[in-house]
Amino acid sequence: GAVVSQHPSWVICKSGTSVKIECRSLDFQATTMFWYRQFPKQSLMLMATSNEGSKATYEQGVEKDKFLINHASLTLSTLTVTSAHPEDSSFYICSAISRDRGYEQYFGPGTRLTVT
Amino acid sequence: AQKVTQAQTEISVVEKEDVTLDCVYETRDTTYYLFWYKQPPSGELVFLIRRNSFDEQNEISGRYSWNFQKSTSSFNFTITASQVVDSAVYFCALSGDKIIFGKGTRLHILP
Repeated sequence: GAVVSQHPSWVICKSGTSVKIECRSLDFQATTMFWYRQFPKQSLMLMATSNEGSKATYEQGVEKDKFLINHASLTLSTLTVTSAHPEDSSFYICSAISRDRGYEQYFGPGTRLTVT
Repeated sequence: AQKVTQAQTEISVVEKEDVTLDCVYETRDTTYYLFWYKQPPSGELVFLIRRNSFDEQNEISGRYSWNFQKSTSSFNFTITASQVVDSAVYFCALSGDKIIFGKGTRLHILP
């Protein structure tokens, strides 16, 4: 099956700093990538949808200036949490779909962010 | 609007018992997909099944089975002869142009 990786798998950063999370499709070219956020004991909430070479589409209530998404290539999307605060601590999961793979959605393993 | 409801927040059963996780969905789309995912403590989502809206056949995979009923907009998941390793959070999801997840059911299998 297709593989989607995320890096780092976990990160601890200080309040006020920025942190970048990478999402890569390892064996296919992703038409679209999605970013989800999951608070402890809660469901996955879609944050944004990004298509290669175009601006991300953010869900209602998600601050686009705080959560910067760049989808520079068909295999890489990045999420940068800017000026992180403790309330940004969460589990961030990306997923990728490909036209060549029938638009099946493949999920990454997630990145656990802790802001101190 | 699309919506997925998993009414059972948490379930505990004794090992070897059967357990059914409920999922009810809402959509105006005529074509859609339904999914079940398992999320163990590690956090990584494990894909279990995808069902096309046109395919109402029930599916069985080992101890897992799924019952899709369009008439009641339900896509229930049954684990037969549960095992401790089945303990996890299970999410039902609905796909239109994006995947919408239910709130999940936390399943505890007690030894």
